[in-house]
Amino acid sequence: NAGVTQTPKFRVLKTGQSMTLLCAQDMNHEYMYWYRQDPGMGLRLIHYSVGEGTTAKGEVPDGYNVSRLKKQNFLLGLESAAPSQTSVYFCASSPWTGGVTGELFFGEGSRLTVL
Amino acid sequence: AQSVSQHNHHVILSEAASLELGCNYSYGGTVNLFWYVQYPGQHLQLLLKYFSGDPLVKGIKGFEAEFIKSKFSFNLRKPSVQWSDTAEYFCAVNTPYNNNDMRFGAGTRLTVKP
Repeated sequence: NAGVTQTPKFRVLKTGQSMTLLCAQDMNHEYMYWYRQDPGMGLRLIHYSVGEGTTAKGEVPDGYNVSRLKKQNFLLGLESAAPSQTSVYFCASSPWTGGVTGELFFGEGSRLTVL
Repeated sequence: AQSVSQHNHHVILSEAASLELGCNYSYGGTVNLFWYVQYPGQHLQLLLKYFSGDPLVKGIKGFEAEFIKSKFSFNLRKPSVQWSDTAEYFCAVNTPYNNNDMRFGAGTRLTVKP
């Protein structure tokens, strides 16, 4: 039981390049999330999904796109990377618990540097 | 939308000292409150959570937190810290009306000296 797995763990990009971060969970959770973690700012929600085929914007969605084609996968895309997107990205999932979101299960993080 | 503030950025304690980390949220309605911990090199994991009922909640590893509605606070406490408690601690809040929008504080780094 791997839980939440993120790939890649590290990536260096040049400004303007594109990339996709993959998140996979094997716990059959309904909800999935992408956060970014920056020093002094904690975690900020980028996008989330409440089920296969659905996505919604979080607190800081600009410059990112997401897709949830399969229940177990949640992809985060950067179409044209900018230095401001240098961050550590965390994926998380949570089960549906009767309408109250409970514990988030996090991946190990992906460190992205944009030069 | 709700927001969270954590008062201390970095706390340094000696083993056996008592710990209290502050957390305040801004939202006038019903909230769900959480504390997460990130040990060095590991992913975030849940320490404890409050949805309703007894405002004093107990979590793993001897941690507890008290919800004080009048103060919009959810402070984390531990009577006696250990070296292994060295980690970063995040307070988080969501609401029953938008429970997928979990907002986190900036985090408090705790260093426990042996």
